[in-house]
Amino acid sequence: NAGVTQTPKFQVLKTGQSMTLQCAQDMNHNSMYWYRQDPGMGLRLIYYSASEGTTDKGEVPNGYNVSRLNKREFSLRLESAAPSQTSVYFCASCTGTRNPDTQYFGPGTRLTVL
Amino acid sequence: DAKTTQPPSMDCAEGRAANLPCNHSTISGNEYVYWYRQIHSQGPQYIIHGLKNNETNEMASLIITEDRKSSTLILPHATLRDTAVYYCIVTGYSSASKIIFGSGTRLSIRP
Repeated sequence: NAGVTQTPKFQVLKTGQSMTLQCAQDMNHNSMYWYRQDPGMGLRLIYYSASEGTTDKGEVPNGYNVSRLNKREFSLRLESAAPSQTSVYFCASCTGTRNPDTQYFGPGTRLTVL
Repeated sequence: DAKTTQPPSMDCAEGRAANLPCNHSTISGNEYVYWYRQIHSQGPQYIIHGLKNNETNEMASLIITEDRKSSTLILPHATLRDTAVYYCIVTGYSSASKIIFGSGTRLSIRP
């Protein structure tokens, strides 16, 4: 049981390049989330998927797209990377059916955009 | 989601109890208080949560005031491994709720 896994762990992009961050969970969770964390700041929600087939914007969705590929996988895409998107990206999941519920986080992807 | 207020930093001597305060004066009746921590640059880790009663688990204790406007996370015997940023979060039903992380409290443990 690996929990929440993210790939890649590190990535360097040039401005304008595109890439997809991958996230997978093996806990049969319904809800999945993407956050970004800038240096010295708390996490900010980019997008989330309350259940398979649905996605919704969070606090900072501009410049990103997401795909809930299936129940296990939730990807985050940067179509045209900008230096302002240099950050650490965390994926999380939770059951989505319990009240209250607990989010489980992946190890993060450290992205640098030059 | 309700907003929380935490001190930006605290320190505590190793072996002593670390008491981390959190204000959440606008909490709604059906919202829970959650605590997570983030060690170095790892993903946040769940610690404990509560509604109105005090809670204890193997990691920590959570004391919630009677009016629910504030709470305190207690690490009973702090160790160097407890050095982390601690986030106090108020959240409702998970499938519709979005966790709002503030800046948290950076806890430093002194040897």
